[in-house]
Amino acid sequence: DTEVTQTPKHLVMGMTNKKSLKCEQHMGHRAMYWYKQKAKKPPELMFVYSYEKLSINESVPSRFSPECPNSSLLNLHLHALQPEDSALYLCASSQESGPLEGRNTIYFGEGSWLTVV
Amino acid sequence: AQSVTQLGSHVSVSEGALVLLRCNYSSSVPPYLFWYVQYPNQGLQLLLKYTTGATLVKGINGFEAEFKKSETSFHLTKPSAHMSDAAEYFCAVSLNNDMRFGAGTRLTVKP
Repeated sequence: DTEVTQTPKHLVMGMTNKKSLKCEQHMGHRAMYWYKQKAKKPPELMFVYSYEKLSINESVPSRFSPECPNSSLLNLHLHALQPEDSALYLCASSQESGPLEGRNTIYFGEGSWLTVV
Repeated sequence: AQSVTQLGSHVSVSEGALVLLRCNYSSSVPPYLFWYVQYPNQGLQLLLKYTTGATLVKGINGFEAEFKKSETSFHLTKPSAHMSDAAEYFCAVSLNNDMRFGAGTRLTVKP
């Protein structure tokens, strides 16, 4: 069982809606990630948070707005999305200090399936 | 920058046959290598990883992989395929929280 929990599992939203995806982990990890995965493709990195601060933004459009309220939670706020943004959104976490092995092992949640209509 | 290449987007085997999924990496420093499995409509599950030490790594569900530096490879194997192994498999390389995935290999298991 994954220790990274994502809600909701499925979300359908219109192009004018505002919605949020939520992610929670209780492994004490201080690095958290959002990935986007289109059908039959590998995950693509969107954002990385390190110690609750945004450290990597892979040139993601501003209609996606991440937030890290605390060390266990990660949100992805969605606004004015396009149909091509429909995908599986994966949250993940890893250690941010200590041995390199732990810092490079990333654990994924089950994902949130987003459909934009 | 590090990267991985998975050879073969689709592999089909018979139940009970050997599973071999190929992955080659490119990295300027000793790599951290991973295999993830993704079952239909699910997230990614870590199968196994290579960091340092023993080059033959055993994972869950009877899978194992061998790190071969001379061949820059990290192929995934399982001696006997089971129907439940049908899934998408991703090889990945990571450095400083920057994980890069291969394109994925879809494994089909025939009865």
